[in-house]
Amino acid sequence: AQSVAQPEDQVNVAEGNPLTVKCTYSVSGNPYLFWYVQYPNRGLQFLLKYITGDNLVKGSYGFEAEFNKSQTSFHLKKPSALVSDSALYFCAVREPDSNYQLIWGAGTKLIIKP
Amino acid sequence: DAGVIQSPRHEVTEMGQEVTLRCKPISGHDYLFWYRQTMMRGLELLIYFNNNVPIDDSGMPEDRFSAKMPNASFSTLKIQPSEPRDSAVYFCASSSAGTGGTYEQYFGPGTRLTVT
Repeated sequence: AQSVAQPEDQVNVAEGNPLTVKCTYSVSGNPYLFWYVQYPNRGLQFLLKYITGDNLVKGSYGFEAEFNKSQTSFHLKKPSALVSDSALYFCAVREPDSNYQLIWGAGTKLIIKP
Repeated sequence: DAGVIQSPRHEVTEMGQEVTLRCKPISGHDYLFWYRQTMMRGLELLIYFNNNVPIDDSGMPEDRFSAKMPNASFSTLKIQPSEPRDSAVYFCASSSAGTGGTYEQYFGPGTRLTVT
């Protein structure tokens, strides 16, 4: 069965430091992978996606994500965190030949401290 | 594009009352999804449509919940009768093939429902 795991409920990072939010997945075939961000009292916003090709994909707000097929991971990264990056982050996956719903991780709360 | 539009943004109602949530997807999108988000259960998919036809409603919690999509630009989620445990934020999202056929979803701002 398809599944997505975000092993950390919360990640704390000091402003200016690099950040990583982890995501691992279990699907058959070559998946499409996504990251979304949710700011307080807002809807989820699409950040970036991986389709194929270069394992490092760049997205909005300076975020990037690294796809690792052997480890079935798709970790979200940013070289220098901002306080305004504090939000809830969701990883999602879809098998290309499946139905069109996304399988969602539980979310990771990212807290950036000044 | 205005994005996905949801109304109302906030709804407070008494137990037993009927509640109707509304969604206008992004023009040209052929998939529409209804989600519910709570602290306890996280993000749950309730139902989704393709070209106005319901495809999977297995996430609808009870018969009290129903959803319709009469045309490509409008969908409703109805709860009748409402109960306090229905209190949550309800999101609508829409998608289309996009770049590479990936069907990433775009979310509305949500409706915060409180049932007292």
